[in-house]
Amino acid sequence: IAGITQAPTSQILAAGRRMTLRCTQDMRHNAMYWYRQDLGLGLRLIHYSNTAGTTGKGEVPDGYSVSRANTDDFPLTLASAVPSQTSVYFCASSRTSGSLDTQYFGPGTRLTVL
Amino acid sequence: SQQGEEDPQALSIQEGENATMNCSYKTSINNLQWYRQNSGRGLVHLILIRSNEREKHSGRLRVTLDTSKKSSSLLITASRAADTASYFCATGGGFQKLVFGTGTRLLVSP
Repeated sequence: IAGITQAPTSQILAAGRRMTLRCTQDMRHNAMYWYRQDLGLGLRLIHYSNTAGTTGKGEVPDGYSVSRANTDDFPLTLASAVPSQTSVYFCASSRTSGSLDTQYFGPGTRLTVL
Repeated sequence: SQQGEEDPQALSIQEGENATMNCSYKTSINNLQWYRQNSGRGLVHLILIRSNEREKHSGRLRVTLDTSKKSSSLLITASRAADTASYFCATGGGFQKLVFGTGTRLLVSP
């Protein structure tokens, strides 16, 4: 594989259930990001990781958690899903955490919480 | 809150015409990037312009940056149907993570 992969492609989830969205990159990028995209609101940063072993909160972190045990993987967990978390989720990575670096995006996960 | 706001929200043109999209932002930046998103896909980086640059070209793309007005424009010349997509500006500065705007939906009709 080359680039970023996300799984699943789409998911319908009952409210209150736990869900983990997976993200893997093979570019050996240090920084990784999770965004949600909602109509009319563009992309909003949920959590980020500047390097393996570190994570940080973005603009809309509530209800989400992340971990970065290694360079390649950056899973996003919804501990107890709510309907307002219905969205399209994108994972991205960049070589460094600097804002001058290009971000590379995965294909997205479409999540519906009922 | 969004740092950048694109204008117009939607743009519909014919093949061969030029498409211009604008981005306004609120705080100081050290660079501004433009990304493209095809329907149902992830974003793809198009071009980056630094705060000390006023204009940059890449193929049929021309980006301008006016830091005094806190605005940028993306011009796509001789548009093609394949240019149909949403276009986002993203601003970065210092330790701040990239902040994306709300996007312009471009429709290029054959």
